[in-house]
Amino acid sequence: AQSVTQLDSQVPVFEEAPVELRCNYSSSVSVYLFWYVQYPNQGLQLLLKYLSGSTLVKGINGFEAEFNKSQTSFHLRKPSVHISDTAEYFCAVSDHSSYKLIFGSGTRLLVRP
Amino acid sequence: SQTIHQWPATLVQPVGSPLSLECTVEGTSNPNLYWYRQAAGRGLQLLFYSVGIGQISSEVPQNLSASRPQDRQFILSSKKLLLSDSGFYLCAWSSGTEMNTEAFFGQGTRLTVV
Repeated sequence: AQSVTQLDSQVPVFEEAPVELRCNYSSSVSVYLFWYVQYPNQGLQLLLKYLSGSTLVKGINGFEAEFNKSQTSFHLRKPSVHISDTAEYFCAVSDHSSYKLIFGSGTRLLVRP
Repeated sequence: SQTIHQWPATLVQPVGSPLSLECTVEGTSNPNLYWYRQAAGRGLQLLFYSVGIGQISSEVPQNLSASRPQDRQFILSSKKLLLSDSGFYLCAWSSGTEMNTEAFFGQGTRLTVV
């Protein structure tokens, strides 16, 4: 069975600073990986996804993530954050044989002026 | 284009009362449907998913149940709510024909059991 670990429950950062949100996964089969963002009291919106091919994936709002198979990681990065990036970010995994989408516990990104 | 509707947006229910949350999807056929719960300070917990009418898979044993009476309708129910059922419930759908299951979420229902 798959699982996702997001070690950081909250990440505070100053505006215009870079940020990395960590995600590690566990699976015995090949996986698809996703990052979603959730603004307060709303549903989730897809930021980016890794399906296959290039390990560096670019998404919306200037975010990117790198798939590292040997480290089973899919960390999310942004070189310069804005106040509007304050939200909760979820890493998720699904595998090639299941329609289940499993989420991590989320990381709250708090951008300060 | 595809849309997902989830209602109600907020709900306050007494302990022991029944629950029915409804989710409908428009603009697609044979979607995979999901119910997630997000408790305060926790991630998204997959409760149920369905790959077709009448096909329900339960991920977590509890006093909730799900039904899919129509292709694009997914209902979450309980006969008697517990305090621990409070949380933010999210319905989602993904394409039934693709394995790269990007999911699209509704706006959620905030349930408070008092």
